[in-house]
Amino acid sequence: EAQVTQNPRYLITVTGKKLTVTCSQNMNHEYMSWYRQDPGLGLRQIYYSMNVEVTDKGDVPEGYKVSRKEKRNFPLILESPSPNQTSLYFCASSLLEYTGELFFGEGSRLTVL
Amino acid sequence: LAKTTQPISMDSYEGQEVNITCSHNNIATNDYITWYQQFPSQGPRFIIQGYKTKVTNEVASLFIPADRKSSTLSLPRVSLSDTAVYYCLVGDGVTGGGNKLTFGTGTQLKVEL
Repeated sequence: EAQVTQNPRYLITVTGKKLTVTCSQNMNHEYMSWYRQDPGLGLRQIYYSMNVEVTDKGDVPEGYKVSRKEKRNFPLILESPSPNQTSLYFCASSLLEYTGELFFGEGSRLTVL
Repeated sequence: LAKTTQPISMDSYEGQEVNITCSHNNIATNDYITWYQQFPSQGPRFIIQGYKTKVTNEVASLFIPADRKSSTLSLPRVSLSDTAVYYCLVGDGVTGGGNKLTFGTGTQLKVEL
């Protein structure tokens, strides 16, 4: 089954404790992206990647890092989480040729205390 | 980047046709217009995509005027299960050197009996 898998789905952590949210897709997609969703603000792009070793900032990259060492994986790293990073995070992927169809994961709800 | 503007919310009744309009005055020549549907705590799901004129699939129609500065998603005969947030997305996606795929704040559609 074609899917984008995120882990963990839920996480409560404390300020400053590094964490990684993993994202994996099994569709051989070149394009992957991370979004955060907050009430009243819709979906905002954090980082995106066109292919292995190619990443670029989205609209709200501050406080986040990403890496793309393998085509299927695109982890989101919070080196020193802060409470304002409490949010619902979505990973998405798409073929390089723009079909208009982003495939989204189920989301990871992160709470930073 | 083409910024999008949508109504914050809309109400309808079962069996009615719903039209949601998205404004994108700065749309670029290479940009496509894509609509997504999102249920609470789930990732957005692709509905329809178009470039110009009219596109129809099994769930919706998309109307795009000649100047492409706006688009209208039409949902025929909505049901309670169509209650969701609908996002208009404008961009050339993953071609042309990468793109920040920017979602707006979406339109909350509420369908009642």
